[in-house]
Amino acid sequence: GAVVSQHPSWVICKSGTSVKIECRSLDFQATTMFWYRQFPKQSLMLMATSNEGSKATYEQGVEKDKFLINHASLTLSTLTVTSAHPEDSSFYICSARARLAAYEQYFGPGTRLTVT
Amino acid sequence: DAKTTQPPSMDCAEGRAANLPCNHSTISGNEYVYWYRQIHSQGPQYIIHGLKNNETNEMASLIITEDRKSSTLILPHATLRDTAVYYCIVRSPSDYKLSFGAGTTVTVRA
Repeated sequence: GAVVSQHPSWVICKSGTSVKIECRSLDFQATTMFWYRQFPKQSLMLMATSNEGSKATYEQGVEKDKFLINHASLTLSTLTVTSAHPEDSSFYICSARARLAAYEQYFGPGTRLTVT
Repeated sequence: DAKTTQPPSMDCAEGRAANLPCNHSTISGNEYVYWYRQIHSQGPQYIIHGLKNNETNEMASLIITEDRKSSTLILPHATLRDTAVYYCIVRSPSDYKLSFGAGTTVTVRA
């Protein structure tokens, strides 16, 4: 089946620093990748949609200058949380839509970010 | 996306069938019903989807009412590893986004 990986699986950083999270589709090409954020005991909230080779589309209320997304290839998208603050601490999850698949999204295992 | 309504939680016994309801009374004709689940601290896992016919795969069965206003996900023999939050989502093929509601927290008990 289609596998999506994320790296790192967890990260702790100090306030004011930047953190990069990678999302890779391991055995398929992903034309579209999605980034979600999930706070404790809450549901997933879509942050942005990225298509390979073009700028990401951000959901309302998500700061594009704070959450930088780069979809550099058909198998890699990165999310950089810039100048992280404790309120950015969350579970970040990516998903990928396969190039030829119309219906399923395949999710990564998530990255736990803690900002101290 | 049409909105869905699910019960917040349910318990079921290990080895028994778990029937998870979902209401989607405003679903449009071209919108599919999807089910995902999320085990604690993991990414969501695709389970099954359907348009109007009942569907079955190795994980579950999906029963959609004739008027398509509701559906039921059936886990035929629940195990402890099926304990998770189950999300029912409706989506049209042209919209790649998935909107996650609160889902149903399913606890399988021994």
